[in-house]
Amino acid sequence: QVQLVQSGAEVKKSGSSVKVSCKASGGTFSSYTISWVRQAPGQGLEWMGRILPILGTVNYLQKFQGRVTITADKSTSTAYMELRSLRSDDTAVYYCARDGALSSDAFDIWGQGTMVTVSS
Amino acid sequence: SSELTQDPAVSVALGQTVRITCQGDSLRSYDANWYQQKPGQAPILVIYSKNIRPSGIPDRFSGSSSGNTASLTITGAQAEDEADYYCNCRDSSGNHFVFGTGTKVTVL
Repeated sequence: QVQLVQSGAEVKKSGSSVKVSCKASGGTFSSYTISWVRQAPGQGLEWMGRILPILGTVNYLQKFQGRVTITADKSTSTAYMELRSLRSDDTAVYYCARDGALSSDAFDIWGQGTMVTVSS
Repeated sequence: SSELTQDPAVSVALGQTVRITCQGDSLRSYDANWYQQKPGQAPILVIYSKNIRPSGIPDRFSGSSSGNTASLTITGAQAEDEADYYCNCRDSSGNHFVFGTGTKVTVL
């Protein structure tokens, strides 16, 4: 059974960057899409973007265009999400999630989440 | 609009039935998926492609859809079903995804 294991919590200064990793274990990595979803404290879920590792194709929500980069390393079955020019409202739990494995768009497997705190 | 709107909170007596709705124009074109999230935990998929339960999800969870509204029904709610529930689907462009605003379910 595939598991997604994310890197640990981060504390960053405003204006800096953060890079969160998401390592897949126990199954095929490249054939399915990996999305990044964030959740600010006490708020709902927000989709940020996705990557199809086998092709390297990416797709970002317009809101994050120019500030986020999602990449994948097929050799280590790891996806990455880098967010730049951090602001206080980027403080959130960042999740990676897999879709496409159930012949649907559903996110069937999620990482445990990475808390990113942005301080001034 | 690509927004998905849910009621903020609902309550249900133990063993009774509760229905959570999700409204949005995207649902006329794309199937809804539903996630359960408990405090401090990652979301879990409970219904996908409108009405299919993933392996391991109890059959008291069911989904349906009509027009611009998708619904998640819990028949015989249990204490462990107390959680936040989110719907999601593709947005109107078809290239991105959107989540509902979330519904907090309290089991009394």
